[in-house]
Amino acid sequence: KAGVTQTPRYLIKTRGQQVTLSCSPISGHRSVSWYQQTPGQGLQFLFEYFSETQRNKGNFPGRFSGRQFSNSRSEMNVSTLELGDSALYLCASRSGTGAGNEQFFGPGTRLTVL
Amino acid sequence: GIQVEQSPPDLILQEGANSTLRCNFSDSVNNLQWFHQNPWGQLINLFYIPSGTKQNGRLSATTVATERYSLLYISSSQTTDSGVYFCAVERADYKLSFGAGTTVTVRA
Repeated sequence: KAGVTQTPRYLIKTRGQQVTLSCSPISGHRSVSWYQQTPGQGLQFLFEYFSETQRNKGNFPGRFSGRQFSNSRSEMNVSTLELGDSALYLCASRSGTGAGNEQFFGPGTRLTVL
Repeated sequence: GIQVEQSPPDLILQEGANSTLRCNFSDSVNNLQWFHQNPWGQLINLFYIPSGTKQNGRLSATTVATERYSLLYISSSQTTDSGVYFCAVERADYKLSFGAGTTVTVRA
């Protein structure tokens, strides 16, 4: 079974631009979560989607948004990019409907904002 | 929110040595996972262990949920064990909360 895939793997943008990242979960997984990793803040939760509904959101500004499609693929968007948005963005998926099941991560998208 | 503390922050080992990494968390959890982050950034699942003991080759883990801690054991360490190890926990809120990680360096 294929793992979680993320595209693109690397991205360079300039301040003020917007970016869209994509995540395809493991086949059959309907829950997708997004995390941001930076050297200063570590790994932080962005949001979680299940059946196209956002069930939880982390403490990030409204410039960070996401959505999930009916095939469980998810996208996250960051508008008006800031230098501090440079980070590794990780997507995870899991089976089942409730909290607590094992999560599996994709390879990440490394975003650099210049 | 839930607090996750990992210790030690850094660990330097000679090849063949054994080591123990610790993860303390501040509240009851539904999920606890250990990950190894590879040099390209991907989080590799080591253990899904909300309670009990599991072993996988030279690695094993124990979680004592009632005392809110988990231990990851690395035996007969190899240079390929180098990297950052993360503990992450989840309550009934669909999000993993991560510790700051333990950076392990295994010297030949």
